[in-house]
Amino acid sequence: GAVVSQHPSWVICKSGTSVKIECRSLDFQATTMFWYRQFPKQSLMLMATSNEGSKATYEQGVEKDKFLINHASLTLSTLTVTSAHPEDSSFYICSADADLTNQPQHFGDGTRLSIL
Amino acid sequence: KQEVTQIPAALSVPEGENLVLNCSFTDSAIYNLQWFRQDPGKGLTSLLLIQSSQREQTSGRLNASLDKSSGRSTLYIAASQPGDSATYLCAVSNQAGTALIFGKGTTLSVSS
Repeated sequence: GAVVSQHPSWVICKSGTSVKIECRSLDFQATTMFWYRQFPKQSLMLMATSNEGSKATYEQGVEKDKFLINHASLTLSTLTVTSAHPEDSSFYICSADADLTNQPQHFGDGTRLSIL
Repeated sequence: KQEVTQIPAALSVPEGENLVLNCSFTDSAIYNLQWFRQDPGKGLTSLLLIQSSQREQTSGRLNASLDKSSGRSTLYIAASQPGDSATYLCAVSNQAGTALIFGKGTTLSVSS
């Protein structure tokens, strides 16, 4: 079945560091990928929609200059949290749409980001 | 704006019980609905996908129903086991190729 690989799975770093998270579709091409964030005991909230070859679309309240998204190929999207601060600590997870009718979206295993 | 609500927020049952998790959504014009399982600190495991034209889907001990007109879905788990303990998330998609809108989940604990 379709697989999405997300890396790294866990990051601990100092405040002010920039962190890059990768999301790869391993056996299918995805023109669209989605980035979600989940705070403890909260639901997953969409941060942005990543479109191959064009700019990402950000949800209201998400700073595009802080959360940089690059979708340079049909199998890879990256999210860079720039100058991360403790309030950015969260669980970040990506999903990819295989553009196939009647198929579910496929999710990565997520990245737990802890900023000290 | 689509909103997804899950009731109850938490549920504790003894092993062997049958149980029902509830999900409601405010805009009935959905494309599909998915149920996921999330273990603590982990990603999502897709359990069942129901298209807007379907009424239910089954996989093993799981059965999900969809009543689009009333904006409701239920996840039925038969003969629950301790290994079923996890958070169950309901999510809807309003259009093909768009992001999912999630509920807050129901955290299930099955005791042996």
